[in-house]
Amino acid sequence: AAGVIQSPRHLIKEKRETATLKCYPIPRHDTVYWYQQGPGQDPQFLISFYEKMQSDKGSIPDRFSAQQFSDYHSELNMSSLELGDSALYFCASSYFEGLARNEQFFGPGTRLTVL
Amino acid sequence: AQKITQTQPGMFVQEKEAVTLDCTYDTSDQSYGLFWYKQPSSGEMIFLIYQGSYDEQNATEGRYSLNFQKARKSANLVISASQLGDSAMYFCAMRDSLGGNEKLTFGTGTRLTIIP
Repeated sequence: AAGVIQSPRHLIKEKRETATLKCYPIPRHDTVYWYQQGPGQDPQFLISFYEKMQSDKGSIPDRFSAQQFSDYHSELNMSSLELGDSALYFCASSYFEGLARNEQFFGPGTRLTVL
Repeated sequence: AQKITQTQPGMFVQEKEAVTLDCTYDTSDQSYGLFWYKQPSSGEMIFLIYQGSYDEQNATEGRYSLNFQKARKSANLVISASQLGDSAMYFCAMRDSLGGNEKLTFGTGTRLTIIP
C-alpha cells in the first residue's frame, strides 16, 4: 500500500539558511499535517491543511510557512534557520470520513540538522 | 487545553510477557479520540490502535488492546506476548474530536525494551 512520502530524508543546513521540506500524502487523503519532534521529545503539531486550505495552526514559528498544492502535496518552508530547528519533521495525512477513526498516517520524517 | 500524561519513561519486559503502558489524559470535551503510536529506533511513527470516547468496548488490534477507563481518564495500551521487535518508543495521543481531522496532542512517550 502507498505510504506518505517525504523528501529529503536528511538535510544539513547552516544557521540562517533556508530549507524546504516536501510531503506527498497517501492518494485520496485530503488532510496533511506537519509535526516537529526535537531530540528526545514528543511530536509537536505545527500546521495542517484540509483540501488545500490551512485548517489549523500550532506552535509554528513565523520564520516557517507551509502550503498545500493542487496535487495535494505540501511543502514546509523554513527560513533563517536556528540551531534549535534541528529536529525530525513529520508529515502525516488522513482521509476525513466523518465520525470514523480517521487515523493519521505518518511519513518517515525528514531529519534536519542545523550547524 | 488537552494534556496527555505517560508516567513511565522506560520499561524493561521479558520476552513473551504481557506489558501495560500507562496513559492518562485531561480534557473537558465529551467527544475525543485516543491513539497509540509506536516509534522504532528508525524513527517512523506507526499507528497501533484507536479508541473513541463513546466506544463501549475496549479496542483490540491483534496483540494490542486498549484498556479504556473513561471515568478515570485512562487509556492504557496492553501488548500481549511481547516480542523483541516490540522494543520501541510508544506514544499516547489525543484528538479533541470523535471523528474529524484535528491535530494530535502527544504524551512524552514510554521507551519499551524487550529482554530476550
